[in-house]
Amino acid sequence: GNSVTQMEGPVTLSEEAFLTINCTYTATGYPSLFWYVQYPGEGLQLLLKATKADDKGSNKGFEATYRKETTSFHLEKGSVQVSDSAVYFCALSDPGANSKLTFGKGITLSVRP
Amino acid sequence: NAGVMQNPRHLVRRRGQEARLRCSPMKGHSHVYWYRQLPEEGLKFMVYLQKENIIDESGMPKERFSAEFPKEGPSILRIQQVVRGDSAAYFCASSPGTGATEAFFGQGTRLTVV
Repeated sequence: GNSVTQMEGPVTLSEEAFLTINCTYTATGYPSLFWYVQYPGEGLQLLLKATKADDKGSNKGFEATYRKETTSFHLEKGSVQVSDSAVYFCALSDPGANSKLTFGKGITLSVRP
Repeated sequence: NAGVMQNPRHLVRRRGQEARLRCSPMKGHSHVYWYRQLPEEGLKFMVYLQKENIIDESGMPKERFSAEFPKEGPSILRIQQVVRGDSAAYFCASSPGTGATEAFFGQGTRLTVV
């Protein structure tokens, strides 16, 4: 079956630090990959996505590249801000499985001033 | 264009009562997914519905849980005889069709069973 594995958290960084959050996946088909962000007390918002190998998704300074050879979709940002503090979820959608999303456990990022 | 609307945002039920969670998808979306987020965990798929049809309920507990998406009105997730372990955040997502690469999420309903 499909699965998503995220690095263990939480992660605490100082403002302007570099961020990497690892994500690897297992899928039987050709999934699309996503990063969702959840701010405190809120629902999930799509941060970025990539639909095929070597695609790079980007938004708000965050980037992730769909690496089929390593089955990875690591999230990066060059300079984090306090407002980036949230929970980040890596997910995949398998068109062969009714496009339902399979999520990683999520990782809490705290950015201190 | 309003987003996915879920209500109530917060719901408190005593053990043994029924919980009804509502989800109105985005305009033009006919596909609805329900997910459950237990404390300190990621979201887990529960059920996928199209108008008047359950397409995939492989993530639904076999007892006490049911879902519907009628021709008119919102999708409903119904939990009968709630227990403390049902306490969680329940999220609904909608998409315009099969193979859509993005689902849009509501803000969730946080169910607390006391």
